[in-house]
Amino acid sequence: AQSVTQLDSHVSVSEGTPVLLRCNYSSSYSPSLFWYVQHPNKGLQLLLKYTSAATLVKGINGFEAEFKKSETSFHLTKPSAHMSDAAEYFCVVDPGGGFKTIFGAGTRLFVKA
Amino acid sequence: KAGVTQTPRYLIKTRGQQVTLSCSPISGHRSVSWYQQTPGQGLQFLFEYFSETQRNKGNFPGRFSGRQFSNSRSEMNVSTLELGDSALYLCASYDYRNTEAFFGQGTRLTVV
Repeated sequence: AQSVTQLDSHVSVSEGTPVLLRCNYSSSYSPSLFWYVQHPNKGLQLLLKYTSAATLVKGINGFEAEFKKSETSFHLTKPSAHMSDAAEYFCVVDPGGGFKTIFGAGTRLFVKA
Repeated sequence: KAGVTQTPRYLIKTRGQQVTLSCSPISGHRSVSWYQQTPGQGLQFLFEYFSETQRNKGNFPGRFSGRQFSNSRSEMNVSTLELGDSALYLCASYDYRNTEAFFGQGTRLTVV
């Protein structure tokens, strides 16, 4: 069975400090993994994706994530938070064979000035 | 290139009524998926359509149905609305070449 767990429901950082949003997954297959961001009253925007190529994936807006198979993790990081990063972030597993994706519960990121 | 378009953006309906939501995918995308987002349940997969055929279905009652037209536009219908159906309904069109989903801004449905 496939599942995804976002380990923190809320993360609060100060502007200019690093961001770490944690995600663990479980999949019987070699999954595709994604991070999406959702700003208030908006749809989801793709930040980055892992599809069995390089394990360190770079995305938009300075975000990156590292796929660690041994730890079944796909944590999202950014070296320096910006106020505009305040949003909800979703880790997503696509087990393949059709678009029956599994979303994590989401992590709300707060950025303090 | 136009993005995924969902209409209407906001809807208010009464319990017992039915509602139809529309989604126009990105040109060239043949797969459309629907999701329900609520504060309590998060994002839940409803169903996926590909070339006018429902290919995957989530765990929702039969009151939730959908269809896809030959131009890949999709509609989602909810009959006999319940208060718990109040949610943001998101549609995504899928690019299988790049394994990437593009989401619309959603339709906010409120059932009173």
